[in-house]
Formats: sequence, structure tokens, C-alpha cells
Amino acid sequence: GAVVSQHPSWVICKSGTSVKIECRSLDFQATTMFWYRQFPKQSLMLMATSNEGSKATYEQGVEKDKFLINHASLTLSTLTVTSAHPEDSSFYICSARLVDTQYFGPGTRLTVL
Amino acid sequence: DAKTTQPNSMESNEEEPVHLPCNHSTISGTDYIHWYRQLPSQGPEYVIHGLTSNVNNRMASLAIAEDRKSSTLILHRATLRDAAVYYCILRDYLYGGSQGNLIFGKGTKLSVKP
Repeated sequence: GAVVSQHPSWVICKSGTSVKIECRSLDFQATTMFWYRQFPKQSLMLMATSNEGSKATYEQGVEKDKFLINHASLTLSTLTVTSAHPEDSSFYICSARLVDTQYFGPGTRLTVL
Repeated sequence: DAKTTQPNSMESNEEEPVHLPCNHSTISGTDYIHWYRQLPSQGPEYVIHGLTSNVNNRMASLAIAEDRKSSTLILHRATLRDAAVYYCILRDYLYGGSQGNLIFGKGTKLSVKP
């Protein structure tokens, strides 16, 4: 199947700093990518949908100024968590759509101290 | 979004078949049925999807009821590596972009005993 990578796989940062997570579709081009967040023992929650070359669409309750999404090319989307706080600690997972199937990255574990 | 209902958990013995049920009584005519699974601390993995007919691939089989209000994911011989949370999700194929994305429920946690 199609491969989606994420970098970094884990990151620990101090409160107030910003963290950037990259998501790449390795063997296909994706006009649409998705960002999810997953807290412990909970299911994935969709944060936003990004389309290449246009602004991301955020789900209700997700602050667009805090979670900056850039989808600059057909194979790369980035999520920047700005001024991170401990409550932002979570497992962030990206996904890319190929035809009618979504493929997911391995996730990024963010811990904010 | 049309919702799905799955049992919270199921147990299976290694090398035995596993039938994971999913109810989706409000499914629309344009909803695909998707199955994903998630191992601990990993992103979800695509398993299979279908619209009306039963589907088979190297990972599993998907049996879809004639009225499409329920489906069953079949793992023919469970292994310890199949222990995961399995998600049954409906996606409307008419929509692209921000619509038609995958919305995850709680899924079924499958345990496999050696």
C-alpha cells in the first residue's frame, strides 16, 4: 500500500515553544491531507483537512492560530503547534488520501513539559 | 456522518478465524464501508473497504449484508500481530476535500490469545 511518513516520531519540548511536525506521502501525490490527534485511551479526532495550495479547513473547536497547517506541495504537509502547553501533549497522526483510501503516518508523540 | 456501532472488545484464539461485526443502519447509498486497525502507539493501518459486494484481500475479507446495514470483517487465521483496535468507518464517496473524510469511532479492541 501507499506509504506516509512523519517526522519526528517523538518530540519533547518546553512549555511556550513551537513544534513543527512534517508529513510526507512517499510514493504518491496527495492533494488532500488530514491531521488527527489522539489522547491516551481515546479514538482519533480529526483536527483539520489541508488541500495543496489552499488554506486548511479546521474542525470545530480546533484553534487555527495555534495549530498552523501548511500544505506547500503534493507530498508534504506540516503542522506547527505554536506556544505549546502541557495540554497539547498528545499523539498527532497525519493521513493522505489516494483515490478513495486514506493512508496514515506512524504518528508523532508530543510531550510538552 | 452516518454512524457505526461496534462491540467494545472481542477475544480470539491464535490461528482461529475472527469475525468482527459492524452495524451501520443509517448508511446511505453512496457510503463506502472502510476498515482500519491501529496497533498500540502506531497510526491506523488500512485493512479493506467495500461498497456492496463482498471483498477479499491478503489481509482480510469483508462481508457486506444485502441491505448494507451491517458488515463483518473476517480475519481468516488470527495471529498475535492481529491484536489491535479495529475501526469500521463509513465514507461518502461523492465528496472530496474537507468532506468525505474518515471519522473514527471507538472501534473494537481485539485480543488474541496464544
